[in-house]
Amino acid sequence: EIVLTQFPGTLSLSPGERATLSCRASQSVSSNLAWYQQKPGQAPRLLIYGASSRATGIPDRFSGSGSGTDFTLTISRLAPEDFAVYYCQQYGSSPWTFGQGTKVEIK
Amino acid sequence: QLQLQESGPGLVKPSETLSLTCSVSGASISNSGHYWGWIRQPPGKGLEWIGSIYYSGTTYYNPSLKSRVTISVDTSKNEFSLNLRSVTATDTAVYYCARPRRWDNAFDIWGQGTMVTVSS
Repeated sequence: EIVLTQFPGTLSLSPGERATLSCRASQSVSSNLAWYQQKPGQAPRLLIYGASSRATGIPDRFSGSGSGTDFTLTISRLAPEDFAVYYCQQYGSSPWTFGQGTKVEIK
Repeated sequence: QLQLQESGPGLVKPSETLSLTCSVSGASISNSGHYWGWIRQPPGKGLEWIGSIYYSGTTYYNPSLKSRVTISVDTSKNEFSLNLRSVTATDTAVYYCARPRRWDNAFDIWGQGTMVTVSS
């Protein structure tokens, strides 16, 4: 099973700042990586698939990059609604696995 | 608009079977060309993929749960179901049904989730 490690565990930032979240896979997943946003009491929402493609309706302040084992989710300017937990997921090799999450909190 | 809705008991006793159903509206399971999946999230923790099913009945499961899990589909009711046998407290979680994109396994449509507690 591929293990995904996300860092940092918590990111404390102010609205308008840039957020950079990382996800590292224990072995290559090519570009088979997705990012999700989850707010309290809600289901996850797909942000990015294929490592860098934005899902339908996702603002362009969200961008993804990377391939192989190292991936990044960047939020160019944090909006108030962006404070949440973010998960990466690999689907390069079954079983599909998720990272443990990065919480983006208001500083 | 495609919507998924989980249903089932919120409380299950240890050693019994957890049974949940996901009702699909806004699209036909048998005509969509998608797989359909179950994912869970223990309180305060991360996400775990349980397994997925195609309308034909083809399934694949997370090996960590495979010995206890059965996912089935009922195309006449446009729903699919999860059975998890011999549950323990560690199976307490929010259970989500979700649909991955057609050409990969990024989950783009999710149900709202249902909390299942395993307790006597």
